[in-house]
Amino acid sequence: GQNIDQPTEMTATEGAIVQINCTYQTSGFNGLFWYQQHAGEAPTFLSYNVLDGLEEKGRFSSFLSRSKGYSYLLLKELQMKDSASYLCAAMDSNYQLIWGAGTKLIIKP
Amino acid sequence: GAVVSQHPSWVICKSGTSVKIECRSLDFQATTMFWYRQFPKQSLMLMATSNEGSKATYEQGVEKDKFLINHASLTLSTLTVTSAHPEDSSFYICSAGTGGQIPTYEQYFGPGTRLTVT
Repeated sequence: GQNIDQPTEMTATEGAIVQINCTYQTSGFNGLFWYQQHAGEAPTFLSYNVLDGLEEKGRFSSFLSRSKGYSYLLLKELQMKDSASYLCAAMDSNYQLIWGAGTKLIIKP
Repeated sequence: GAVVSQHPSWVICKSGTSVKIECRSLDFQATTMFWYRQFPKQSLMLMATSNEGSKATYEQGVEKDKFLINHASLTLSTLTVTSAHPEDSSFYICSAGTGGQIPTYEQYFGPGTRLTVT
């Protein structure tokens, strides 16, 4: 079956760095997405990786290893507004998105 | 650009009644719209995919007669929850694909609708 695994919750300190991991198993693979979702709001797009390696975009970076079925989202210089859930989603061979349950990130002062 | 709106943002209805949720793409034409449901602390669950002018494609386990989807124009899709029951209480989110052959690559989400059935 198809599956996405990511930690349920993580806690980090303002100004620090946090890495949110995601492992996936899909029928075929057409890329890995990360979305940010604040409580009670819709997800907003953060990143898309289809090739191995690190993609950097400001304070956020996303990494992909296709051979390992693994991705991570790296958040630097954490701010209180980064408190949110982070959703990992993999696109399968039919271009359907398989969503993880999300990682709730709690930022403490 | 690429703004998607949903109305209402929240609704409370009595069991047995029907509720309609609108999803609009404000500044682009959305040939494909997606409807999701999200229960607390769970992942997004795709309910159906709708293409303008054609019948929606429902995911396995989603009752098409209960969740009526209409995509009458390139900027509007509606989801009607018929004969709602408390177990239908959830966060409903729509998203719009900006076109191209694979709309899931670039989809923009609406702000969601919180449905509570009493």
